Parts: sequence; C-alpha cells; structure tokens
Amino acid sequence: GAGVSQSPSNKVTEKGKDVELRCDPISGHTALYWYRQSLGQGLEFLIYFQGNSAPDKSGLPSDRFSAERTGGSVSTLTIQRTQQEDSAVYLCASSFRQGKGYNEQFFGPGTRLTVL
Amino acid sequence: DQQVKQNSPSLSVQEGRISILNCDYTNSMFDYFLWYKKYPAEGPTFLISISSIKDKNEDGRFTVFLNKSAKHLSLHIVPSQPGDSAVYFCAASERSNTGKLIFGQGTTLQVKP
Repeated sequence: GAGVSQSPSNKVTEKGKDVELRCDPISGHTALYWYRQSLGQGLEFLIYFQGNSAPDKSGLPSDRFSAERTGGSVSTLTIQRTQQEDSAVYLCASSFRQGKGYNEQFFGPGTRLTVL
Repeated sequence: DQQVKQNSPSLSVQEGRISILNCDYTNSMFDYFLWYKKYPAEGPTFLISISSIKDKNEDGRFTVFLNKSAKHLSLHIVPSQPGDSAVYFCAASERSNTGKLIFGQGTTLQVKP
C-alpha cells in the first residue's frame, strides 16, 4: 500500500514569506505527527493529531507555526513570516494508535525547507 | 535539555565486523525505545525496538540491549554489511496520550567493503 507522502519535497523561500507543507498519511491511520530535523540535529517533535481530539501543540517553536488536519486525514503545516532558523527537513509520520503505549510510526520522505 | 543522546556522530567499520551504536537517556519515564535507520532523502524507517521491561531484543543481524540502571541502550549489527551504511537514530517514548518520540542526534554508520 501507499506510504506517507509529503509535498513539496523541496521548498526554497525568502525570509518573511509564508509556506505551507502538506502531509498525506497512510489511509486508516488515526494519529499524525510532525517533526523537524535541523542540520546536525535529531528529529524534534512539533505537533500531534489523533482523531477528533485536540492536537498536542507542545512542540511548536513559536506562534508562527500552525498546523491543521482536515477530515482526519491530510495535514498542513504552515509557517508564517519564515526565518532562516526555520530551515530544516520537516517530517510527517502516521500511526494506527490504540491506547497509551507506543505504536509504530511510519515516516514520509520529508520536505526540505530552505529560507534565504 | 537533551533527553536522548547519541554521543558518537559517526562510526566506521569493516564489512563483516560488528557495529555497535550507543545511546544514553535521562528520562526514567521512558518505557519504549526504538532504533530508526535513515538514508539520504528518505524518511526514517523503523529498525528494532525494546520495551523497558526487557533487556535484550534480537531480530536477525540486529540486537538491541537495554541497561536501565545505566540509562543506556545499544544497537549491535552483526555482521555489518555495506547496505547498512546510513544514519541511525535512537528514540524513546514515554507512556502518554500522544506516543510522541524523542530522538537522539543520530550516528552516521559507514560500513566499508
């Protein structure tokens, strides 16, 4: 079956512009995560969606970052007024989540964002 | 505050030998640990995991060891193959409502033919 897909694969933007990154999770997966990987760093949790529950936004670095998940499927991560420190690879993951334990997360290929 | 640390940014081993990748953590509430493998321009893929109630889990050439008292885990790859060359991330999960993962910085493994 199809895995997690993300678009665009690469995005170059100028400082101050807004960008939207898209994630299509695996069909049927209830949970969706956004992470980012800055140069030389590990993956950093940004936000989590599960069904109709309120998202966990605890990892968003500033109020310039927002995300939504429409219809329990596709998710869009929006970064307003981009800054150079926002340059990173943004990764989306989905899982079929049950209970409070760990459920395997499947990652997309990521969107490489470069802010000039 | 880095809760999961991989102190070796890179490791180079000869084909056929053992590769040992290390990871340390600080949060005693972590109850599940994972290793992910990442090739360039691809997302991380799950490799192997271990629950905090175990001290060893083996899957083919890959074995993960967990030392809870030392808050340390390691990934052993035996024998190493050139196709194992990738970035390896250690990750941990705390029993919670989200299941979010906390990742280490990654270790780049190069297996030389």
